[in-house]
Amino acid sequence: AQSVTQPDIHITVSEGASLELRCNYSYGATPYLFWYVQSPGQGLQLLLKYFSGDTLVQGIKGFEAEFKRSQSSFNLRKPSVHWSDAAEYFCAVGLNQAGTALIFGKGTTLSVSS
Amino acid sequence: AAGVIQSPRHLIKEKRETATLKCYPIPRHDTVYWYQQGPGQDPQFLISFYEKMQSDKGSIPDRFSAQQFSDYHSELNMSSLELGDSALYFCASSQITEAFFGQGTRLTVV
Repeated sequence: AQSVTQPDIHITVSEGASLELRCNYSYGATPYLFWYVQSPGQGLQLLLKYFSGDTLVQGIKGFEAEFKRSQSSFNLRKPSVHWSDAAEYFCAVGLNQAGTALIFGKGTTLSVSS
Repeated sequence: AAGVIQSPRHLIKEKRETATLKCYPIPRHDTVYWYQQGPGQDPQFLISFYEKMQSDKGSIPDRFSAQQFSDYHSELNMSSLELGDSALYFCASSQITEAFFGQGTRLTVV
């Protein structure tokens, strides 16, 4: 069965430092991969997505992610974190079929220290 | 740009009451999803509709039902509410898999 694992429940990073959030997936087919960000009490905002092609994808707010098929990973990175990046981050996978749902990881809470 | 609209944004109900949540997808999106997110939890998939037909079913309780109407809006009907149903309910719409989420309806059952 398909699943998404985000090994880190909570990460604290100093403002200006680099960030990497880990995501591993288990999927029978080539997945569509997503990273969403959620601020407290808010909806989910799409940061970036990978469908095919270049394995390094750029997203909004300076985020990027790299798809590594050999490691079944899709880690999210940012070279310099801002205090406003503090939020919950969810990795998700989806099938290339209309109507099938995204499966989310448990999420990683990012705290930014000054 | 138009986004996914959910109403109401907040809802307070008593145990054993019913609730109806509404979702208006982005125009021309063919798929609607419903998710439930408990406090500190990841979103759990409930049900989805593709072109007004139920397409996928997740962990939706039997007390809940949903449908998509001819204008593509969707409603999630929840009956015999329990305290554990208190959560943030998200609707998302998509076209070619990329899903856009609404702001959610926060349901509190007291």
